[in-house]
Amino acid sequence: NAGVTQTPKFQVLKTGQSMTLQCAQDMNHEYMSWYRQDPGMGLRLIHYSVGAGITDQGEVPNGYNVSRSTTEDFPLRLLSAAPSQTSVYFCASSPVGDEQFFGPGTRLTVL
Amino acid sequence: GQQVMQIPQYQHVQEGEDFTTYCNSSTTLSNIQWYKQRPGGHPVFLIQLVKSGEVKKQKRLTFQFGEAKKNSSLHITATQTTDVGTYFCAGDYGGSQGNLIFGKGTKLSVKP
Repeated sequence: NAGVTQTPKFQVLKTGQSMTLQCAQDMNHEYMSWYRQDPGMGLRLIHYSVGAGITDQGEVPNGYNVSRSTTEDFPLRLLSAAPSQTSVYFCASSPVGDEQFFGPGTRLTVL
Repeated sequence: GQQVMQIPQYQHVQEGEDFTTYCNSSTTLSNIQWYKQRPGGHPVFLIQLVKSGEVKKQKRLTFQFGEAKKNSSLHITATQTTDVGTYFCAGDYGGSQGNLIFGKGTKLSVKP
């Protein structure tokens, strides 16, 4: 079991560029989520999904899109990157209501 | 909205001293989870508390869930350098989605 994998590990973007952060899990978990972590702010929920074809917004969804075409994959798209999106992004998966398994994270810098 | 407050933000201890971090919610939680994040790493699940007044132990770590299910604490006895990291509580308010609201974390440093 690879668990939760994320790519890339590091990324530098220029303002206005778009990109997709990849997340995959091989544990057949229904629930998947994206968080951003900023210094002193803890983990804030961006988007989540409770199954293939179902997504919803979390606490800080603006500027991000997600889709869930399969149980395994949950990509996060930045439509037009802004410096305020500089952060560490974590993907997580779990059975609904159970412990969450986190990926290793993507460190994103937007110049 | 729903919010989980966690204190202190930082704690510096001498190796061998005890450490406690506290979480508080203004509304009743369905359950609370605790995670540890080592420097440069990702959050790793420690435990989930579900029952009112529940106390669980993992070696030197003691977790408590308040009687009203609004507060929780993590206590580490006789800290070691391996305990260094940030400890997060995460509240589940019982929605069907299973979303967690994370506290801002307590960053623990241990001086040998």
